[in-house]
Amino acid sequence: QSALTQPPSASGSPGQSVTISCTGTTSDVGNYNYVSWYQHHPGKAPKLLIFEVNKRPSGVPDRFSGSKSGNTASLTVTGLQSEDDADYYCTSYAGNTNLVFGGGTKLTVL
Amino acid sequence: QVQLQESDPGLVEPSGTLSLTCDVSPGYISSIWWWGWVRQPPGRGLEWLGAAHHSGTTNYNSPFKSRLSIAVDRSRNHFSLELSSVTAADTATYYCVSLVVVGSYFNYWGRGALVTVSS
Repeated sequence: QSALTQPPSASGSPGQSVTISCTGTTSDVGNYNYVSWYQHHPGKAPKLLIFEVNKRPSGVPDRFSGSKSGNTASLTVTGLQSEDDADYYCTSYAGNTNLVFGGGTKLTVL
Repeated sequence: QVQLQESDPGLVEPSGTLSLTCDVSPGYISSIWWWGWVRQPPGRGLEWLGAAHHSGTTNYNSPFKSRLSIAVDRSRNHFSLELSSVTAADTATYYCVSLVVVGSYFNYWGRGALVTVSS
């Protein structure tokens, strides 16, 4: 069982928006602004989408955005495209140099 | 763009040592970054194992401290993982990763290598 809770699946049609949640506790998500999100197409290397809650690395489209409220972080994908069909994982710093993960969300673009 | 590529050890016997290496794109292994490992057992979530810096400093996740070793070899432009006393529970896809700071985020990942512990 993963430390952070994500919905196992999410879906949306092309052009729509979808939000994926990542719920932790006051020991991780709620206490640190070190939440990151990754996109994983099976068989490929996972890719960093968001770091430090809401920062995007260069090259990541601004269709991807992150936010946090209390113990829950969220990844929003706007203007869904077929290539967004992938698995998405969140991580959070949990103190003492420890990192914890979410169980992953399979996003299906209908 | 940094590229990371795991070796492919395939099958490891129970009670043995799991060894993996990760090749790093030229020019990065001696940077300020840390080099680490994450794994995903079949049907389960991701687990943080630990990381090492080219200076020799290491940082290991507590559950693995007693049997994990990660080291950076600058001369070979790669870093390695050794996990001893393995059991079937160590069967997983192992990903090599880079981190700007331990406890921050993984800026690059390898594609992953499936390691099976079985006799």
